[in-house]
Amino acid sequence: NAGVTQTPKFQVLKTGQSMTLQCAQDMNHEYMSWYRQDPGMGLRLIHYSVGAGITDQGEVPNGYNVSRSTTEDFPLRLLSAAPSQTSVYFCASSRGGQSGYGYTFGSGTRLTVV
Amino acid sequence: AQTVTQSQPEMSVQEAETVTLSCTYDTSESNYYLFWYKQPPSRQMILVIRQEAYKQQNATENRFSVNFQKAAKSFSLKISDSQLGDTAMYFCAFIGQGGSEKLVFGKGTKLTVNP
Repeated sequence: NAGVTQTPKFQVLKTGQSMTLQCAQDMNHEYMSWYRQDPGMGLRLIHYSVGAGITDQGEVPNGYNVSRSTTEDFPLRLLSAAPSQTSVYFCASSRGGQSGYGYTFGSGTRLTVV
Repeated sequence: AQTVTQSQPEMSVQEAETVTLSCTYDTSESNYYLFWYKQPPSRQMILVIRQEAYKQQNATENRFSVNFQKAAKSFSLKISDSQLGDTAMYFCAFIGQGGSEKLVFGKGTKLTVNP
């Protein structure tokens, strides 16, 4: 059971480039989320999804797009990378359904924008 | 909107001693879940313990226990017999029962266990 798989683990981008962070889960979880972690800021929610075809914005959505065409995959797209998007990104999934199971996290992607 | 506050950015404890990490939260909901996550230097987020708000009994998981005070909106984590492997960032987190199930985090407490 792989859980939540994020790729790549590390990435360096130049300002203005675009890229997609991949996230896949094999637990048939309905809920998926993307967070960014910055020093002293904790984890902040970027976008989330409560099921295939349904997405919504979190606390810091600007500069990011998501889509959820399947239950398993929830990619995060950076449209035009900026140095302010240098961060560690986490994808997470949950069984949801108000069950309080909490979220299972991927191992993170460290992104540096130069 | 729900908020989670961790007032201790850094803490340290001697190996084998007990340490308590503080967390307060703000919500208007009556039913919700609270969590403590551990993030060691490997960066992996690990669920340590969870508490259901409608349960009065405090959750325990081996050396980890919580003190849940619903009226005070307080949710502290106690680590007994601290071990070097407990050195990590610890995050308090909240999920409301409003339907979106968004997990809201505090800013974290960096715990160092000294030999």
